[in-house]
Amino acid sequence: GAVVSQHPSWVICKSGTSVKIECRSLDFQATTMFWYRQFPKQSLMLMATSNEGSKATYEQGVEKDKFLINHASLTLSTLTVTSAHPEDSSFYICSARPPGLAGGHEQFFGPGTRLTVL
Amino acid sequence: DQQVKQNSPSLSVQEGRISILNCDYTNSMFDYFLWYKKYPAEGPTFLISISSIKDKNEDGRFTVFLNKSAKHLSLHIVPSQPGDSAVYFCAASPLGSARQLTFGSGTQLTVLP
Repeated sequence: GAVVSQHPSWVICKSGTSVKIECRSLDFQATTMFWYRQFPKQSLMLMATSNEGSKATYEQGVEKDKFLINHASLTLSTLTVTSAHPEDSSFYICSARPPGLAGGHEQFFGPGTRLTVL
Repeated sequence: DQQVKQNSPSLSVQEGRISILNCDYTNSMFDYFLWYKKYPAEGPTFLISISSIKDKNEDGRFTVFLNKSAKHLSLHIVPSQPGDSAVYFCAASPLGSARQLTFGSGTQLTVLP
């Protein structure tokens, strides 16, 4: 149980284009999902908390107009990187927290999406 | 300011021996701690966790110890296996409903056959 998928697993795009990444909880409903990014050999940095049916909560320093998050259903959150630039190239990972699991602290992660902006 | 620190970027251990990975934190609001294992180009996999009301939690070959007074936790893997080679992240979660995770920088564990 507690499987999270991401699509696509990797994407290459031209500078200035927009890229959408999907995160799905496959066997549970998630009212809350999280989006992280990881640079090579660095830690996972939380970008935003995605709440089903309401606006996402962004971490300090993350541009909400650049990283659009939509959590339209209890099993799907999307991250759209708008007008992508080479500095947006990174590994983007989502996670979801099954409700009622051990106090709700554990998050289960998707496999990640490697974004390369040319 | 790093609230969760893993000061050893890498660790090499012989197969069959004990691996000890360390993690320190500074935020007193953290009340739940987790260890994740990560392979390159994959998402982290949950390993084991511990609540601040405990000082030890064991699951098979993995044991996590928590020293609240020192704001220190460690992950012990016994016996270590080559398949354990990966990056291990320590994470902490605070009190409150958001329960966001703050990650350490990770430790690359290499288990030598």
